[in-house]
Amino acid sequence: QQQVKQSPQSLIVQKGGISIINCAYENTAFDYFPWYQQFPGKGPALLIAIRPDVSEKKEGRFTISFNKSAKQFSLHIMDSQPGDSATYFCAARAAGNKLTFGGGTRVLVKP
Amino acid sequence: GAGVSQSPSNKVTEKGKDVELRCDPISGHTALYWYRQSLGQGLEFLIYFQGNSAPDKSGLPSDRFSAERTGGSVSTLTIQRTQQEDSAVYLCASREAGGTDTQYFGPGTRLTVL
Repeated sequence: QQQVKQSPQSLIVQKGGISIINCAYENTAFDYFPWYQQFPGKGPALLIAIRPDVSEKKEGRFTISFNKSAKQFSLHIMDSQPGDSATYFCAARAAGNKLTFGGGTRVLVKP
Repeated sequence: GAGVSQSPSNKVTEKGKDVELRCDPISGHTALYWYRQSLGQGLEFLIYFQGNSAPDKSGLPSDRFSAERTGGSVSTLTIQRTQQEDSAVYLCASREAGGTDTQYFGPGTRLTVL
């Protein structure tokens, strides 16, 4: 049972463009929604996170938009750079701090 | 400071053999997690240790999988009688106590079962 659905699976964007990744969840008990960035051969690293009492959070070029009623959240990468090329995972936390991850989105930023 | 370390980085084994994967969490982190990442897939929760509490084993896929954490620090994930479907990257993460949310991941161990 996939509790967090992530789309698209892959994304190609030109340098300077906007990358948008969407996630949807089912479990209303989730209380924390992080996004992780993973480079090949490395473990995931926390990029940005949001709690459900906030509709938007921005850190530099990265923004999370959160829609609690729709049970959806998204990551926007503004002014995408080649160094942003990586796999991005959304996740949601339930009891015990266990994270449920989406399937991942491979982002390629073309120079 | 040092991050989460895992060893070995790569492990190739034959079907039916047992393997042990090691995780050294960040010093002082009381919570430790194991996840499995199959090729091109998201991360799948396996097991969670928090301090001296009984571990949450709800994600272990079969009784061939087990894990222990000695002295509240190093953890070992053991897979007995490995199967080809066990091939994946096994990731360990640790988290500081006291309400912080961030899990810090190690680089993973890539397991290949021939």
